[in-house]
Amino acid sequence: NAGVTQTPKFQVLKTGQSMTLQCAQDMNHNSMYWYRQDPGMGLRLIYYSASEGTTDKGEVPNGYNVSRLNKREFSLRLESAAPSQTSVYFCASSEVFSGTDTQYFGPGTRLTVL
Amino acid sequence: RKEVEQDPGPFNVPEGATVAFNCTYSNSASQSFFWYRQDCRKEPKLLMSVYSSGNEDGRFTAQLNRASQYISLLIRDSKLSDSATYLCVVNRPGNQFYFGTGTSLTVIP
Repeated sequence: NAGVTQTPKFQVLKTGQSMTLQCAQDMNHNSMYWYRQDPGMGLRLIYYSASEGTTDKGEVPNGYNVSRLNKREFSLRLESAAPSQTSVYFCASSEVFSGTDTQYFGPGTRLTVL
Repeated sequence: RKEVEQDPGPFNVPEGATVAFNCTYSNSASQSFFWYRQDCRKEPKLLMSVYSSGNEDGRFTAQLNRASQYISLLIRDSKLSDSATYLCVVNRPGNQFYFGTGTSLTVIP
């Protein structure tokens, strides 16, 4: 069981470039999430997918889009990267979309936008 | 006002010491509470959920005070391996999780 995997681990972009962060889980979880972590800010929810076929905005969705490709995969796209999107991005999953369910996190993608 | 606030520390304690962290949350409708642990440059991992009556897991004790809207984590007999950042996490209706910025702990030999 790999748990939650993310690619790439590191990425450097120039302002205006686009890229997609990939996330996959092998735990048969229904719900998946994308967070960003910035110094002094804590983790903030960008988008989430409560179940396959649905996606919803979180706290900081501007500048991002997501796709729940199937039950296993949930991707995050930056259409036109900005320096303010320099951050560490974590994908997470949980068995169900519940306030009590444990979230399992991937190892993160460290993104720098120049 | 932030949803969840924590003292960032750092807390530097000797091995064997007892250390306590507090966390406050702003929304009284918050329903579920957790402590996650995050090692340097790694992903967060669930340490323990926090129940209304308080709960213990080995050397770790979590308490919830709904009236004052704070959560605490007590670590007894600190080990070197406890060195990490501890994240307070709160969930409110709508099932979105809100994370504190974390409290840094270093246990010194």
